[in-house]
Amino acid sequence: NAGVTQTPKFRILKIGQSMTLQCAQDMNHNYMYWYRQDPGMGLKLIYYSVGAGITDKGEVPNGYNVSRSTTEDFPLRLELAAPSQTSVYFCASSPLPQGTPFYEQYFGPGTRLTVT
Amino acid sequence: SQELEQSPQSLIVQEGKNLTINCTSSKTLYGLYWYKQKYGEGLIFLMMLQKGGEEKSHEKITAKLDEKKQQSSLHITASQPSHAGIYLCGADIPGGSQGNLIFGKGTKLSVKP
Repeated sequence: NAGVTQTPKFRILKIGQSMTLQCAQDMNHNYMYWYRQDPGMGLKLIYYSVGAGITDKGEVPNGYNVSRSTTEDFPLRLELAAPSQTSVYFCASSPLPQGTPFYEQYFGPGTRLTVT
Repeated sequence: SQELEQSPQSLIVQEGKNLTINCTSSKTLYGLYWYKQKYGEGLIFLMMLQKGGEEKSHEKITAKLDEKKQQSSLHITASQPSHAGIYLCGADIPGGSQGNLIFGKGTKLSVKP
C-alpha cells in the first residue's frame, strides 16, 4: 500500500492563480481530511469528507473548495490564490472506527505552497 | 471552542536524558492522540488514549491520560537522536463531526548527540 499520497510536493503560485492539490489513498478509508499547517500554529482543518459525494467545511474553509467523486481521491482546489494561503497542506484519511468511537488518521507527506 | 495547549514549545535535551511533553485541554478530553512529525514529512501516529488513567507505551515512549486534569503527558526515556521532531497532540471535538480533530501547536524536540 502506498498509503496517502499528495502531489505536488512543492509549488509556488502567483497571487490570483488557481491550482488543485491532489490527494489519494489506497486503504479504502471512508474519511478524508485536508489540513493546513502554518509555522507554530498547529494544524487547522479546512474540509473533510465522510464518504464519496459527501464533503463539509472545517475550521478554515474560505478560499478553498473540495470534491469527493471517488473513495480514493480528495482534491483541494484553491481559487484566486492569496499570500495568506502560503502554508503546508496535509491530507489525511481514516477508516471507520472498529469497536471504539475514535479515528486514527493517516497523513500524507504534505504539499508546501508559497503564494507571492 | 476547545483548545489544546502544549508545553514546552521547544525542548533541547542531551542524548540519553528523559523528557516529558504535556498537552492540556481547555475542555474535557474524550480521546487524545499523539503524533510525531519530522521536517518535510507528514504526521506519524504514535498512540491514542481513550480513558482516564490509561497509559500506553511504544518502545521508549509512554503516554498517559489524566481526565481530571484534562491533560496528557508524553514521556521519552533515554532519548535518542531518532526521537527528534515535532510532537503534536490531537483531540476529538466534543459534539463535532465524526473524526474531526483539533491539534495543539506542537512541541519541537531536539536531541543532542
